[in-house]
Amino acid sequence: DSGVTQTPKHLITATGQRVTLRCSPRSGDLSVYWYQQSLDQGLQFLIQYYNGEERAKGNILERFSAQQFPDLHSELNLSSLELGDSALYFCASSVAQGVSYEQYFGPGTRLTVT
Amino acid sequence: DAKTTQPTSMDCAEGRAANLPCNHSTISGNEYVYWYRQIHSQGPQYIIHGLKNNETNEMASLIITEDRKSSTLILPHATLRDTAVYYCIVSPASGSRLTFGEGTQLTVNP
Repeated sequence: DSGVTQTPKHLITATGQRVTLRCSPRSGDLSVYWYQQSLDQGLQFLIQYYNGEERAKGNILERFSAQQFPDLHSELNLSSLELGDSALYFCASSVAQGVSYEQYFGPGTRLTVT
Repeated sequence: DAKTTQPTSMDCAEGRAANLPCNHSTISGNEYVYWYRQIHSQGPQYIIHGLKNNETNEMASLIITEDRKSSTLILPHATLRDTAVYYCIVSPASGSRLTFGEGTQLTVNP
């Protein structure tokens, strides 16, 4: 158990819909990262937040957005869903201070768009 | 971030040491070598990281060559539960994204 929690575990929805994925980081971790893992693209970084502020952005679609709240939990919002958005979405957290930044991953949310 | 090269797959007998190589010839001076593994669609699991010295923890050892252009992850006594995809990642100390490649599929056989 990494200490990172993600809800829901599974999500099935239709094209065009909007969903919200939730992540609670490990206690004390200030930084949250979102990754997408699909069969054809592998594990890809989407976005990072640090203490409520966006720190880095990867290949995140404009239809996707995220935020980190004052209690440090984070939400990833996916809208106008397409079949190709079906994937595993992982959240990770780290202390993000000092000289090393190992990330601890949650169990993921499996999104299926039909 | 520097690119890494790993073998696509490796096999290891249960109870034997598993040595997983990684090449990172373009690594910069401030970049760390991280190893993660992913067991069948579970969240990736952090294993170990290092800058230039060899490192050991309860899970594994990391050997980094003196020129830092390659490294080896050693699982001293592999078990069936170590069957996973192992990712070698080079990342600056400032953190931010992890860039995952294809990794090495390690299969531990009874």
